[in-house]
Amino acid sequence: GENVEQHPSTLSVQEGDSAVIKCTYSDSASNYFPWYKQELGKRPQLIIDIRSNVGEKKDQRIAVTLNKTAKHFSLHITETQPEDSAVYFCAVGGGGATNKLIFGTGTLLAVQP
Amino acid sequence: DSGVTQTPKHLITATGQRVTLRCSPRSGDLSVYWYQQSLDQGLQFLIQYYNGEERAKGNILERFSAQQFPDLHSELNLSSLELGDSALYFCASSVVGENTEAFFGQGTRLTVV
Repeated sequence: GENVEQHPSTLSVQEGDSAVIKCTYSDSASNYFPWYKQELGKRPQLIIDIRSNVGEKKDQRIAVTLNKTAKHFSLHITETQPEDSAVYFCAVGGGGATNKLIFGTGTLLAVQP
Repeated sequence: DSGVTQTPKHLITATGQRVTLRCSPRSGDLSVYWYQQSLDQGLQFLIQYYNGEERAKGNILERFSAQQFPDLHSELNLSSLELGDSALYFCASSVVGENTEAFFGQGTRLTVV
């Protein structure tokens, strides 16, 4: 089955700095790559997603890049703010006959004021 | 509000018991997913249903079972509960056919004592 690795597991940055989280996957048939943000005690919420026919997508301070050849994708957050502090999960979907999402192990991002 | 409703929000039960978690997907979503999130752990995919039929299965224990009813709501049944089954159980729903966002419910926190 699909295997998704996510790094780092924890990330601490100063307010205003950039944060980068990376994920790799194993199933070359995967074609959907969302990122979810989960605040403490709350449900995961989609913040950005990318499909395999696109190499990069940006939404204000958040961007995702995809390298299908190398089977990895990354989340970039610029000008970080304290409210960006949360757990971020990458996910991979679309492999095989189902579009189930397989999630990475999560990155705890702490933005220090 | 994601439009996905899970009940109950909290559940405390004893080892050996059986519980049922309920999920109502967003209106129009045919696909329902169940995930388990243990303390400090990621989102482990359990099972997916699409329009009443099982579509994909993850690392779901034999003590666990699920089903999706004609009105598209889903139930996750957990039996012979063990202390290690204590976790946050999320349901998510999405439109299947093309990879799109999975919307998560607020989760059911299960505590086995």
